[in-house]
Amino acid sequence: GENVEQHPSTLSVQEGDSAVIKCTYSDSASNYFPWYKQELGKGPQLIIDIRSNVGEKKDQRIAVTLNKTAKHFSLHITETQPEDSAVYFCAASEPSNTGKLIFGQGTTLQVKP
Amino acid sequence: DVKVTQSSRYLVKRTGEKVFLECVQDMDHENMFWYRQDPGLGLRLIYFSYDVKMKEKGDIPEGYSVSREKKERFSLILESASTNQTSMYLCASSLVGNQPQHFGDGTRLSIL
Repeated sequence: GENVEQHPSTLSVQEGDSAVIKCTYSDSASNYFPWYKQELGKGPQLIIDIRSNVGEKKDQRIAVTLNKTAKHFSLHITETQPEDSAVYFCAASEPSNTGKLIFGQGTTLQVKP
Repeated sequence: DVKVTQSSRYLVKRTGEKVFLECVQDMDHENMFWYRQDPGLGLRLIYFSYDVKMKEKGDIPEGYSVSREKKERFSLILESASTNQTSMYLCASSLVGNQPQHFGDGTRLSIL
């Protein structure tokens, strides 16, 4: 079945710097890749997603890139702020198109003021 | 706005007890999911339901069962709770197909 690897597990940056989190997936038939942000005491919230017919998507300071050939996708956060500190999860859809997602292990991002 | 509500934020139970975790969504979503979240392991799917009374096992279904009698409600049942089921449990819902999942805020369950 599908497997998703996420790196790094922890990331510390200075406020204003950029942060990049990378994920790889195993099944080339996966076609939907969401990113979630989880703040302390809350459930994960969708921040951006990308489908396999698109190579890049941006939403203000957040962007996601997808390389289908290499089977990896990345989250880019520019001009980081302390409120960006959270745990971030990537996910890939199961090829069966049932709506099931396989999640990465998570990245704890700390933005230092 | 989308809302997924889990009945308890914190729950403490004893080994051997039958435990019910409840989840309600108000978005008329077909799909509902139960995940378990443990440090370093991400979110692991326990059970999935794609319609009322329909369910499918996820990656770690052992020791759990589910019930979906109404479209908006999805219950996770620990038949006989054990200490290794101490964890954070997250419920989510989505429209049919590969669509964003919307999560509740989780239930932190401790089994003593």
